[in-house]
Amino acid sequence: DGGITQSPKYLFRKEGQNVTLSCEQNLNHDAMYWYRQDPGQGLRLIYYSQIVNDFQKGDIAEGYSVSREKKESFPLTVTSAQKNPTAFYLCASTEQGPGLGNTIYFGEGSWLTVV
Amino acid sequence: KQEVTQIPAALSVPEGENLVLNCSFTDSAIYNLQWFRQDPGKGLTSLLLIQSSQREQTSGRLNASLDKSSGRSTLYIAASQPGDSATYLCAVRPRGSGGSNYKLTFGKGTLLTVNP
Repeated sequence: DGGITQSPKYLFRKEGQNVTLSCEQNLNHDAMYWYRQDPGQGLRLIYYSQIVNDFQKGDIAEGYSVSREKKESFPLTVTSAQKNPTAFYLCASTEQGPGLGNTIYFGEGSWLTVV
Repeated sequence: KQEVTQIPAALSVPEGENLVLNCSFTDSAIYNLQWFRQDPGKGLTSLLLIQSSQREQTSGRLNASLDKSSGRSTLYIAASQPGDSATYLCAVRPRGSGGSNYKLTFGKGTLLTVNP
């Protein structure tokens, strides 16, 4: 089945560590996104990528990094510079297209907790 | 800056009731508005997408309307069921250039509980 796969589902990070969240899609979508969701908050955009080998900062990119070496993959690294990384992280993708009217699809999310 | 507000933040209804969830946005320059469902600890599932030129979309017991000029959208759920219990979020995709139209703005959601 086509979809977006995020792994791991649960991840614990020690202070000072970098961790990487995986996101893989087999929808053949050009655009991919990383969002962060905190309790009682809406989703906030971390990074997005319109096409392979290109990505742009979202609203809260500080302390995060990404790469887009393959169309189907968009990993997110949470670095030690991110002071409050405990959150639910969601990966998403859309088709490119006129008017950008296409539905956005989400993965099942990854929970990151700092211990 | 676009702001999206969802009222109420939480809603509890008895099974079988028809209900309306509200979403308002401050900037009418949008490509589309999308409604999602999120179950606890899960990702978002798209329910309905309304293009800026459309007034409404329907899928089964769900009907979403869009009034772009007033910055409002509603999600109508008919004959609610306990399985409809979830958080419902709306998001708008802005018109713009330079990649800004990739930046969806989400509301904080309405937590719906349908009691048997």
